[in-house]
Amino acid sequence: EVVVTQFPATLSLSPGERATLSCRASQRVSISYLAWYQQRPGQAPRLLIYGASSRATGIPDRFSGSGSGTDFTLTISRLEPEDFAVYYCQHFGRAPPYTFGQGTKLEI
Amino acid sequence: VQLVESGGAVVHPGGSLTLSCAASGFTFDDYPMYWVRQAPGKPLEWVSLISWDGESTSYAASVKGRFTISRDNSKNSLSLRMNSLRIEDTALYYCAKGGGFPGLLGSWGQGTLITVSS
Repeated sequence: EVVVTQFPATLSLSPGERATLSCRASQRVSISYLAWYQQRPGQAPRLLIYGASSRATGIPDRFSGSGSGTDFTLTISRLEPEDFAVYYCQHFGRAPPYTFGQGTKLEI
Repeated sequence: VQLVESGGAVVHPGGSLTLSCAASGFTFDDYPMYWVRQAPGKPLEWVSLISWDGESTSYAASVKGRFTISRDNSKNSLSLRMNSLRIEDTALYYCAKGGGFPGLLGSWGQGTLITVSS
């Protein structure tokens, strides 16, 4: 089982700033099998980024993903008010379990 | 895409419950389907997977042997039968549509709440 660890647990920033969220896997994973989800308060999660760097449908281009091996990053170039939420990274792929990280809360 | 979960309730430890998910807006039998849960204030936890044809299923270790996932492609419906419920099964249960890769969750419902309490 791949364990994914996210850091920081909480990130305090202001609108217009750049956010960098990190995700580390317990073993090397293919860049193709890392995803990021956003969960706004009181809402269901939604897929943001998959394959480490491909945006899901309708996701603005201020969101980008990168990384390789065991270390991956979600970058939000210029924070909008609606971006303040909890972000989860997930390892997916051929065999379950499909593990999530503990989440990073992005707060104002 | 619309996914609507139902069946959430308050149940006693050891009890049973069946959750349902009604799907619309896509070709249901083209996609694997998933259940994911989130305990209050906790992160997401993948629970179960079923293949597009229902022939293959998989479960998290925490629910294996107690939960059973199934689907009815003729009714665009997904189910999760939960037996021997434990207090730690208390969570919001989400139904999710496969996103094109195994384990990728492309669309989510709004969830249904299960509370296991004596």
